[in-house]
Amino acid sequence: SAVISQKPSRDICQRGTSLTIQCQVDSQVTMMFWYRQQPGQSLTLIATANQGSEATYESGFVIDKFPISRPNLTFSTLTVSNMSPEDSSIYLCSVDRGADTEAFFGQGTRLTVV
Amino acid sequence: GQQLNQSPQSMFIQEGEDVSMNCTSSSIFNTWLWYKQEPGEGPVLLIALYKAGELTSNGRLTAQFGITRKDSFLNISASIPSDVGIYFCAGQLGYGGSQGNLIFGKGTKLSVKP
Repeated sequence: SAVISQKPSRDICQRGTSLTIQCQVDSQVTMMFWYRQQPGQSLTLIATANQGSEATYESGFVIDKFPISRPNLTFSTLTVSNMSPEDSSIYLCSVDRGADTEAFFGQGTRLTVV
Repeated sequence: GQQLNQSPQSMFIQEGEDVSMNCTSSSIFNTWLWYKQEPGEGPVLLIALYKAGELTSNGRLTAQFGITRKDSFLNISASIPSDVGIYFCAGQLGYGGSQGNLIFGKGTKLSVKP
């Protein structure tokens, strides 16, 4: 398994502001993924962060709201832009080993928007 | 869209009891994964299943890939207080490392009374 570090672990933000979440992996991975977990809910994939190309977004998520960077094979950021209370969630970074489908997760960023 | 039905939604059990939870779908999956999430943490992979009928154990945990490929169950034997958490199933529709095909259940919240 990979060691995945996310920062910050939690934050309380004012509505209308933006927060950038960082994800660092201890080994090179081809793809990194960002999930949202709303309170009491399951995990929903936001986008796949590709190194060297634009992120691929799932239905219902757009680049203007959730811009993603992937500058190298061990790091990615997710920005939650122009936040509203509805954005209060846990945001999770994930990687897999390529051939397998086993997703490994960071510890998550708990975001509260007030 | 594709859906996984995970049940029960929550369980309150006495320490030492056995636990069983399951996921079903109308779709055929090629991989089943079971995760545990503790408060403030990301999901941790418990068991991965790749073949219909496969039965795999990890300590006191046992999971099976249903023969129809549309369901999976997770059993925990002789529960202990540290088993507390939310257990998620996840199924993958295709093959390969794309998490875009990974569907998560809504989770089973387990509480264990000492």
